[in-house]
Amino acid sequence: GAVVSQHPSWVICKSGTSVKIECRSLDFQATTMFWYRQFPKQSLMLMATSNEGSKATYEQGVEKDKFLINHASLTLSTLTVTSAHPEDSSFYICSAGGVSPGGGSAFFGQGTRLTVV
Amino acid sequence: GIQVEQSPPDLILQEGANSTLRCNFSDSVNNLQWFHQNPWGQLINLFYIPSGTKQNGRLSATTVATERYSLLYISSSQTTDSGVYFCAVDPGGSNYKLTFGKGTLLTVNP
Repeated sequence: GAVVSQHPSWVICKSGTSVKIECRSLDFQATTMFWYRQFPKQSLMLMATSNEGSKATYEQGVEKDKFLINHASLTLSTLTVTSAHPEDSSFYICSAGGVSPGGGSAFFGQGTRLTVV
Repeated sequence: GIQVEQSPPDLILQEGANSTLRCNFSDSVNNLQWFHQNPWGQLINLFYIPSGTKQNGRLSATTVATERYSLLYISSSQTTDSGVYFCAVDPGGSNYKLTFGKGTLLTVNP
């Protein structure tokens, strides 16, 4: 299956600072990647669709100025949490489409656990 | 938007037991996937199964698209099967933009 790598796996930052999370497709090109957010003991919620070479599409209720997404190449999308606050602490995970036996699938990175103190 | 309901929300088994997890969805879909989220948070692809039946070792899945449900079967469960199982669907044409159910938390005791 396709491999998606996310970095860092975990990060602790101070309130008011910005944090950048990288999502890379290692063995395939992805014109579209997706960013999800997961709070403890809850499901994954789609935040935005990252489009290579164009602006990201954000889901309703997601602040585009707080969660900056850049998809500058076919293998890399970045999510920057700007002016982070404790309520931004969460598990962030990205995905990209790839080919698996039997059809296309969404493959996920390892996730990034963000703690804002 | 599309609704995805998973049942049961929690399931506790003894090692060696079999189980069936269910996923109901409210509209037709182009993609349905089952994932296992391990304790470290990583999502492991189990099945891409918008319709039909597939098997992989002790796991198998069946999706009846016309009736809008999917089942995940786990046989001879092991402690390493513990974790959260998610069903996720994409009703549109992208195949990759997923709406997740709330998951089933499976605990397998030795």
